[in-house]
Amino acid sequence: EAGVAQSPRYKIIEKRQSVAFWCNPISGHATLYWYQQILGQGPKLLIQFQNNGVVDDSQLPKDRFSAERLKGVDSTLKIQPAKLEDSAVYLCASSPGPIQETQYFGPGTRLLVL
Amino acid sequence: GENVEQHPSTLSVQEGDSAVIKCTYSDSASNYFPWYKQELGKGPQLIIDIRSNVGEKKDQRIAVTLNKTAKHFSLHITETQPEDSAVYFCAAISGGSYIPTFGRGTSLIVHP
Repeated sequence: EAGVAQSPRYKIIEKRQSVAFWCNPISGHATLYWYQQILGQGPKLLIQFQNNGVVDDSQLPKDRFSAERLKGVDSTLKIQPAKLEDSAVYLCASSPGPIQETQYFGPGTRLLVL
Repeated sequence: GENVEQHPSTLSVQEGDSAVIKCTYSDSASNYFPWYKQELGKGPQLIIDIRSNVGEKKDQRIAVTLNKTAKHFSLHITETQPEDSAVYFCAAISGGSYIPTFGRGTSLIVHP
């Protein structure tokens, strides 16, 4: 079974630029999560999708972050404009269902904002 | 919201020793507690989990205990091996919000 795929793996941008990350979950997984992991900290949930609907985005900085999950499969997370404090690893995870089921994480995208 | 505290932040042991990582949570509605292992450059991987209706769960060298009254849960690794070296995260998921909250992580170093 193929795992969660993410791209790019690394990205370096200057502040105020925009950036987009892509995630392809495990086939058939209805729930998709985006996390932000700052160095030395645990992952922090940004947004959770159930199929193509948003379950929770209470921790997403909506003035600069946006995410979508077209057709309930792939998802993109965008930052515009980026700030220095956005430097982090952005993890995508998926699970078969919405509640308390094992989450399978992708390798993450490491973002450095200069 | 939920707050998860994890200790210690760093744990260094000799191969063959046991390692214990402890977490506390604040939301009494939390009822699912997974533990993840994260190796360098990779995403977290679930190693064991426990639900609030169970006090202890074991899988080979790994065990997790849960004390609902005290709101804390612990990861126990016995007979540690160098390949156990990684960052370990605990998490708590509320039955009400379903939002996972992670601890800050414990860097486990197993010396050969």
